[in-house]
Amino acid sequence: AQSVTQLDSHVSVSEGTPVLLRCNYSSSYSPSLFWYVQHPNKGLQLLLKYTSAATLVKGINGFEAEFKKSETSFHLTKPSAHMSDAAEYFCVVSDQGNQGGKLIFGQGTELSVKP
Amino acid sequence: DTAVSQTPKYLVTQMGNDKSIKCEQNLGHDTMYWYKQDSKKFLKIMFSYNNKELIINETVPNRFSPKSPDKAHLNLHINSLELGDSAVYFCASSQLTATTGMSEKLFFGSGTQLSVL
Repeated sequence: AQSVTQLDSHVSVSEGTPVLLRCNYSSSYSPSLFWYVQHPNKGLQLLLKYTSAATLVKGINGFEAEFKKSETSFHLTKPSAHMSDAAEYFCVVSDQGNQGGKLIFGQGTELSVKP
Repeated sequence: DTAVSQTPKYLVTQMGNDKSIKCEQNLGHDTMYWYKQDSKKFLKIMFSYNNKELIINETVPNRFSPKSPDKAHLNLHINSLELGDSAVYFCASSQLTATTGMSEKLFFGSGTQLSVL
């Protein structure tokens, strides 16, 4: 079975400083991994995805994530935080054992950005 | 021109009532989903339909009954609402790839916040 663990439930950074949101996964197959962002009172939006191509994945709004198989990690980073980055972030693994596009979500990490 | 739209946005109701949430997507996708997000923000899949056929049915009480009249619509009907049903329900859609049967990108609606009193 596949699973994903987000290591921090809450991360707080100052505007202009780097962002690191940590994610570890467990998978019996070659996983597809995603990061989704949820702004307050809004639906989820795909930030980026890894699907066995380049291990460093660039997403929208300056975010990127690196797939490290040896560490079973897929951490999300951004060099410089902006106030508008404050949101809930979900690391997601694709359950390739079943058909149907089932995604398994992590518990979420709330990112706060201080001025 | 919203891609995935669900109604209503907010739903406040009494225990024991029956309610429905509607979802429509105009992306031409063949697969639609219902996810439940609890008070701790944890998201869990409930159902998935592909071309109107049920393909994922997680352990959900049978008070929850999804209905897909066509592949652009997936409605969720809930009977005999309970306090524990209070949550945000997200509809989503995607296109499954022909070879792997996998979906790589989901498009989500903005959610329906259900409060059961």
